[in-house]
Amino acid sequence: AQTVTQSQPEMSVQEAETVTLSCTYDTSENNYYLFWYKQPPSRQMILVIRQEAYKQQNATENRFSVNFQKAAKSFSLKISDSQLGDTAMYFCAQSGSARQLTFGSGTQLTVLP
Amino acid sequence: GAVVSQHPSWVICKSGTSVKIECRSLDFQATTMFWYRQFPKQSLMLMATSNEGSKATYEQGVEKDKFLINHASLTLSTLTVTSAHPEDSSFYICSASRPDGNQETQYFGPGTRLLVL
Repeated sequence: AQTVTQSQPEMSVQEAETVTLSCTYDTSENNYYLFWYKQPPSRQMILVIRQEAYKQQNATENRFSVNFQKAAKSFSLKISDSQLGDTAMYFCAQSGSARQLTFGSGTQLTVLP
Repeated sequence: GAVVSQHPSWVICKSGTSVKIECRSLDFQATTMFWYRQFPKQSLMLMATSNEGSKATYEQGVEKDKFLINHASLTLSTLTVTSAHPEDSSFYICSASRPDGNQETQYFGPGTRLLVL
């Protein structure tokens, strides 16, 4: 069974600052993928970034980057130069051979002006 | 690319009626689509996996006779909530799976808010 844990229900950050959201996971599979999705107040789920487990290099998408620690089964998201539009619920998720996504419980991020 | 639409975005119905929700992948073909339910301030709960041309696979605890899923084409999956009751009121989200290199990524529709009176 796969599990994804997000231990920070809520976080806040000042505009233009950097924030890191934590995520740990557990799986028995060797090939799997990790994702961060954001869900703003509109409730539209938006893909932020993805990481293939067999790749050692951390994924980066503009202001978003991950710190993937495979041995520790950790997959944190770093948001640099935070913007007001980054305010959203952030979900960490994992998929494996079944292609289904297992989601964490989410972290509500608020960017303060 | 990777746009998924959902219709309707908001529906109110009377108890006992049926409601159909459509999920379409607009710019790619999706052999697999997924249906989720989300309660306020909670994570997404997978209801079923919909495969084109075959029967859907339902998660444990989800009544297949109540939540009918049809995946008639590579771009369309429908979820019908039959004989809806107030406890079925929720936010329903679909996703469509698209191959991206060596992996598949799920892209989500905007969701459907269902209120059963």
